[in-house]
Amino acid sequence: DTEVTQTPKHLVMGMTNKKSLKCEQHMGHRAMYWYKQKAKKPPELMFVYSYEKLSINESVPSRFSPECPNSSLLNLHLHALQPEDSALYLCASSQGTGWVGGYTFGSGTRLTVV
Amino acid sequence: RKEVEQDPGPFNVPEGATVAFNCTYSNSASQSFFWYRQDCRKEPKLLMSVYSSGNEDGRFTAQLNRASQYISLLIRDSKLSDSATYLCVVNPYSGYSTLTFGKGTMLLVSP
Repeated sequence: DTEVTQTPKHLVMGMTNKKSLKCEQHMGHRAMYWYKQKAKKPPELMFVYSYEKLSINESVPSRFSPECPNSSLLNLHLHALQPEDSALYLCASSQGTGWVGGYTFGSGTRLTVV
Repeated sequence: RKEVEQDPGPFNVPEGATVAFNCTYSNSASQSFFWYRQDCRKEPKLLMSVYSSGNEDGRFTAQLNRASQYISLLIRDSKLSDSATYLCVVNPYSGYSTLTFGKGTMLLVSP
């Protein structure tokens, strides 16, 4: 099983809603990442979890709240988002943060904030 | 200087053409290098890792020049299905590092 699975694939939410994005991997990877990607831009790192602990927060607004319940799961809780937060949210994993290899990406959640 | 620079394109080529993309990186201590492919509205997928000795995978050849801090990707006999954005990606590996992405080069292959 060499996949990173993200749900939902699409999400439309209002600015007062609370929703969560989910990510799961069963490759035994110990590092997991959230990226945000706007159209025609490269992925932009948001958060890094290493061994289930938050190790990097790239100054992301508090309306985005990550959670790593266990080594296979990564959530991103969303609250009071703005229309400019509409983007493709990508989860990725790797063997570790010191890993010199590449990452495996999930297929993403396309988020629209209305 | 940006960390990873690529020509955004688009590169418009006919089927069967050979096309080359280049990328430069600023961190001379970078440890590993990749080309990712991203189709429209999809996730990035690892195309190939790039090694100093150069490496080939079918129609794709990647080269790394550490002295010039330069990475290339050559695609021979282009197919319509090669149309995508190609992301140059560098792993600086400074202990607690994360991948650094270039902005991507768009390739459009036409019949």
